[in-house]
Order: sequence, then C-alpha cells, then structure tokens
Amino acid sequence: QLQLQESGPGLVKPSETLSLTCTVSGGSISSSSYYWGWIRQPPGKGLEWIGSIYYSGSTYYNPSLKSRVTISVDTSKNQFSLKLSSVTAADTAVYYCASSVTAIDYWGQGTLVTVSS
Amino acid sequence: QSALTQPASVSGSPGQSITISCTGTSSDVGSYNLVSWYQQHPGKAPKLMIYEVSKRPSGVSNRFSGSKSGNTASLTISGLQAEDEADYYCCSYAGSSTFWVFGGGTKLTVL
Repeated sequence: QLQLQESGPGLVKPSETLSLTCTVSGGSISSSSYYWGWIRQPPGKGLEWIGSIYYSGSTYYNPSLKSRVTISVDTSKNQFSLKLSSVTAADTAVYYCASSVTAIDYWGQGTLVTVSS
Repeated sequence: QSALTQPASVSGSPGQSITISCTGTSSDVGSYNLVSWYQQHPGKAPKLMIYEVSKRPSGVSNRFSGSKSGNTASLTISGLQAEDEADYYCCSYAGSSTFWVFGGGTKLTVL
C-alpha cells in the first residue's frame, strides 16, 4: 500500500516561491500505473486540484494556476515536488500530495502552508 | 466557484438514508465514468469512498453507493451512523487539460 508524506516550509513570504516535496513509500514512483499530483484546501474551504505528473514527466496543470506551477519527479529519491511562484495570501492552504489512477486513491496527511510576511 | 455543484449541507437521523447530488457538465461528469467521492473528517485527509461512479474500494462499507445519470452523480449512504458525519466531496475527470474537478463539498450532519 502506498504511503505519501509531504515536507517543506510552513511559512512563505508573499511574492516568493512555495516549494514542497512528497516522498513516496510502498511503491515505485516510476510505476506506469500512477499519476502523482498535488491538491490544496484553503482553511474552511473545498478541494482544488493543482496539477499532476506521470512518471515519464508529462505534466498536467490546473488552467487557473498553470502560469505559476511546476511539478517535477525525482525517481532516484522516489519523490515528486511542487513549486508555486509569486504566492499571495490566497495561496494559504493545506497542501496534499496524492496518487491517482481512475480516482485519487492515496493521499498524504497534508501540510499547512501559510503565506505571510 | 467550484466546477461541480453539491448541496452545502444534508442531514439525517441514524438508520436513515441520505443522497448527495453532484452536478457537472457534458465536459466532465457527463463524458466520463470517472466520478469519485471522498469523505473528510475535520483535520484529516480525504478518504476515497467511491470510484468509477459506483465502485467501492476494499474496506469501505457497502452502506455507501454511487450512481450517475447524465451530468449528475449521486452518493447514497444508507443506515446512517454517527461516524458518517463528515464533509463529502465529489470529483470528476474532465479531460487531459483540466484533469480533476471537485465539487464544493457537502457537510453531512447525523442528527
């Protein structure tokens, strides 16, 4: 069974870049079965898909965030990462990493990232 | 504004059944049998309850069932229990450019 764990700073300054990493255990990130992605949830609000990446490197981004998002994979470390540039207070949220096939099967526990000076 | 429309809240008494609707468009719910439902308790990560419209992952109670008609999907919970009280989100695949779209979430209260 896959396990995912997010890591990264919990506080980011406005206009800077948010960077998070997801470490995958219990399976290989190079598996052709899965897409690896990021989903966020602002406090008290609903879920928003940020983007996904296939092990081959193909990426898929939410059109509303596409200009600011980069998702990458490091197969040697069994990790994938999220970078979100030019953040504002509206980017304050719990960020989840997740795996998906025909649904979002496995989720990390989530990490709160606050954008504040 | 979320891509999929869900009621903000539903409620029911223990033992009763409730249904949560999820309305999308012909570009998402109506085009793909890739609707899923997630249960989220406060402070916890979402948990997959239904995938591919009506399939249950191993370990999910058969009190949870899903269906779809046209652009609207539904989650039914029968024999309501106190532990079912949570937020529920629907999600649909919407093509390679949009991938996953979520509903705004429904708060289920067990009276």
